Amino acid sequence: DVKVTQSSRYLVKRTGEKVFLECVQDMDHENMFWYRQDPGLGLRLIYFSYDVKMKEKGDIPEGYSVSREKKERFSLILESASTNQTSMYLCASTPWGTGNYEQYFGPGTRLTVT
Amino acid sequence: DAKTTQPTSMDCAEGRAANLPCNHSTISGNEYVYWYRQIHSQGPQYIIHGLKNNETNEMASLIITEDRKSSTLILPHATLRDTAVYYCIVRGSARQLTFGSGTQLTVLP
Repeated sequence: DVKVTQSSRYLVKRTGEKVFLECVQDMDHENMFWYRQDPGLGLRLIYFSYDVKMKEKGDIPEGYSVSREKKERFSLILESASTNQTSMYLCASTPWGTGNYEQYFGPGTRLTVT
Repeated sequence: DAKTTQPTSMDCAEGRAANLPCNHSTISGNEYVYWYRQIHSQGPQYIIHGLKNNETNEMASLIITEDRKSSTLILPHATLRDTAVYYCIVRGSARQLTFGSGTQLTVLP
C-alpha cells in the first residue's frame, strides 16, 4: 500500500512562529502536493512539486514556501505564522501519468495558530 | 480543465444504491473523470476514474454518458461508512487536481 505520512496530526503554534509541515511518501512518486482545507472553501492547492528541487505555485501560495530536497519528502513552510493560516493541511502524491492519476493523500495536519 | 457541477447534498438508505450525478458539459476529448471521497477528518480517497467507457471496481461503478457531458458514480449497496463528501473532478494534462465543493452523501440507517 502507498503510504503518505505527515509529521503531525495536530499542531498549535503562536503568531509569528516559523512552522514546518513535513510530508513523506514511500512509493517513489514524482509529484507531491500541499493543500489546505477550510469549511465552505473546499481543498485549495498551495504548492506542488513535480521533481526534486522543482516547485510550482498553486492557487494560494501567499504566506507559504516549500522545499523538496529528496524525492520522497515535501515540506511546507510558514515563514511567520498568522491566525488566518489556521487550517487543515493535506499532503498528496502521485506518479506522473495522463491516465491513471490517482492522488494518494496523507491523514492531514490540523494547525491552529494562536 | 473542465469545471464540474454536483448537488450539494444527497441522502441514501442503507443497503440501497447511491447514485451521485456530476455534470461536466465543457469536458474535452482528452480529459478523464475522477471521483474521490472524503470521510470526515480524513484525507480524500480515490474511488474510480474513466475516460469514455463505464468502469467498475470493488468500490463503485462509474457511468459516463455517450456525449461525456455527465457521469454518475454508483455505490451499489451503501453502508453507513459511505457517508462522506464525494468529489467529481475532470482532469486533462494538468499535474494538479481541482477539487470543487462536492456532494455530501449521508447514508441513513
